[in-house]
Amino acid sequence: SQTIHQWPATLVQPVGSPLSLECTVEGTSNPNLYWYRQAAGRGLQLLFYSVGIGQISSEVPQNLSASRPQDRQFILSSKKLLLSDSGFYLCAWNAGTTTYEQYFGPGTRLTVT
Amino acid sequence: DQQVKQNSPSLSVQEGRISILNCDYTNSMFDYFLWYKKYPAEGPTFLISISSIKDKNEDGRFTVFLNKSAKHLSLHIVPSQPGDSAVYFCAASHFGNEKLTFGTGTRLTIIP
Repeated sequence: SQTIHQWPATLVQPVGSPLSLECTVEGTSNPNLYWYRQAAGRGLQLLFYSVGIGQISSEVPQNLSASRPQDRQFILSSKKLLLSDSGFYLCAWNAGTTTYEQYFGPGTRLTVT
Repeated sequence: DQQVKQNSPSLSVQEGRISILNCDYTNSMFDYFLWYKKYPAEGPTFLISISSIKDKNEDGRFTVFLNKSAKHLSLHIVPSQPGDSAVYFCAASHFGNEKLTFGTGTRLTIIP
């Protein structure tokens, strides 16, 4: 069966510090991968998605970036965090063009102070 | 441009009664719809989906209804249980689109 991991679970970082959040998927090959953010009291905002290694589509211009160095690894990064980057970050995967359902990881709570 | 709308931010229902969560969409290209359930500090979990070729899909206590002419879908939970208290998101997509468009969510509270 497929499993999705995210770490860390929680993170407190000062403004201006770098960020690296990692997501890995097990039990599937060539998944589509997604990064979402849920700000406090808000819905799910799609940040980036990837349909293959090295292929990244950005949905929202901001100071975040994403990379997919391996088939089942998706990384969300920032060089300098802003207060507005605080939120709950979620990674998700789906099996590709044959299905719409996305499956989410446990999330990372990021607080920028 | 909110293409998927959940106009009720919250809903309270007595345990054992029916919970009805609503969702409206504006994009006529959408042909697949999903409902997710989310507990605090956890990722959303997939609940149930429906294709536009159907108007109803059932899975245990959960039923999703789709009214294409009204661009409206609803999730019925019956009977409602305390563990159903969560935020529910509807989402939509269309053929060839790798992305889901989510609504803003409805917080359901089941009153014992």
